[in-house]
Amino acid sequence: QTVVTQEPSFSVSPGGTVTLTCGLSSGSVSTSYYPSWYQQTPGQAPRTLIYITNSRSSGVPDRFSGSILGNKAALTITGAQADDESTYYCVLYMGSGIWVFGGGTKLTVL
Amino acid sequence: QVQLVESGGGVVQPGGSLRLSCAASGFTFSSYALHWVRRAPGKGLEWVAVISYDGSNKYYAASVKGRFTISRDNSKNTLYLQLSSLRAEDTAVYYCARAYCSGPTCYSPQHWGQGTLVTVSS
Repeated sequence: QTVVTQEPSFSVSPGGTVTLTCGLSSGSVSTSYYPSWYQQTPGQAPRTLIYITNSRSSGVPDRFSGSILGNKAALTITGAQADDESTYYCVLYMGSGIWVFGGGTKLTVL
Repeated sequence: QVQLVESGGGVVQPGGSLRLSCAASGFTFSSYALHWVRRAPGKGLEWVAVISYDGSNKYYAASVKGRFTISRDNSKNTLYLQLSSLRAEDTAVYYCARAYCSGPTCYSPQHWGQGTLVTVSS
């Protein structure tokens, strides 16, 4: 069974840039996996940031961007702010109607 | 604006059943696929199931296939998730989410409800 991989944790300085990735335990992520990215803080519902690789959801600041980097999907945050401290999840389409989330990356801004 | 409101969560014994509902408003319900996603305590998001706009296609995560049933009533703008043979590991907040759709093709969750908590415990 293919697992969707994300960095368990990451740290960025305020104002800095960070790139979180979303990969596969076997194989490469392409646009055909329609990667999407979500932000979730404790006690809150997930918030959609990016869908189908690089489309920004309504109301999401343009410092959040999505792409394919090498063999992974990527979420880049430029000019990190304190309230970006959260857990970020990606989801990939695995075919046959099935979607799989990654384990999430806990981002610390300090 | 898009609104999704889940209900039906609660405490249920192992082996028991529960039906979750998700009432939708602010969009043409019958035009969109809908997902269920859950988050267990201390764990990450887990995709559970998706149903097509007309209910003709349903897909499930391996962890719930054969135990959970997704359905919808387009006349009531309501999505359902029937949970059966519940286990302790099904304890989670369950979210319904409207898919992003482009024409007839729908993709990942885009708009989310606030969730409803299901606790499986004796």
